[in-house]
Amino acid sequence: DAGVIQSPRHEVTEMGQEVTLRCKPISGHDYLFWYRQTMMRGLELLIYFNNNVPIDDSGMPEDRFSAKMPNASFSTLKIQPSEPRDSAVYFCASSYLGGELFFGEGSRLTVL
Amino acid sequence: TQLLEQSPQFLSIQEGENLTVYCNSSSVFSSLQWYRQEPGEGPVLLVTVVTGGEVKKLKRLTFQFGDARKDSSLHITAAQPGDTGLYLCAGRSGNTGKLIFGQGTTLQVKP
Repeated sequence: DAGVIQSPRHEVTEMGQEVTLRCKPISGHDYLFWYRQTMMRGLELLIYFNNNVPIDDSGMPEDRFSAKMPNASFSTLKIQPSEPRDSAVYFCASSYLGGELFFGEGSRLTVL
Repeated sequence: TQLLEQSPQFLSIQEGENLTVYCNSSSVFSSLQWYRQEPGEGPVLLVTVVTGGEVKKLKRLTFQFGDARKDSSLHITAAQPGDTGLYLCAGRSGNTGKLIFGQGTTLQVKP
């Protein structure tokens, strides 16, 4: 298996622009997670899905953030409009219930 | 809100020294995992502990889950430069998929 695949690896954008991050989980995993990592706040859980259904989005910072999982093999995290404080590395991970999380390589976002 | 506090946040030691990283919470976890992350990559699982008092060993790494399942520790014996990285503990409550991470401990082992 290719593992969790994220795109883009790097994104540089200007404040106010829309950003879309993409994730392909490992086939067969029924949980998908979006995390954000910064030096100040560490690895924060933004939202997670079970069988494509959002279960807990309490970590989503505000209405500018939205996440979807239209099918078992694809998820997006969208920021609109983006702000400099959104600059971080965004990780997608997938797992079975109670199992090990397999992380993608992350998407490094810089908002100027 | 569940919180996992790791200490120390940063650790710089010489090759051959021993070290312990702590992970503490006021919440009870059904399981706790330790991950290691290298620059530019995602975290990778080292171990999962599920039973209070459980001790697991992976070569020079020893992991312990507290009796009350609120805390855990990672002990490294005779650290090597290859152990350098960010160590993260992560806890799961009940029978949910939700996994919360600690802030992490950055370890640097100098040759």
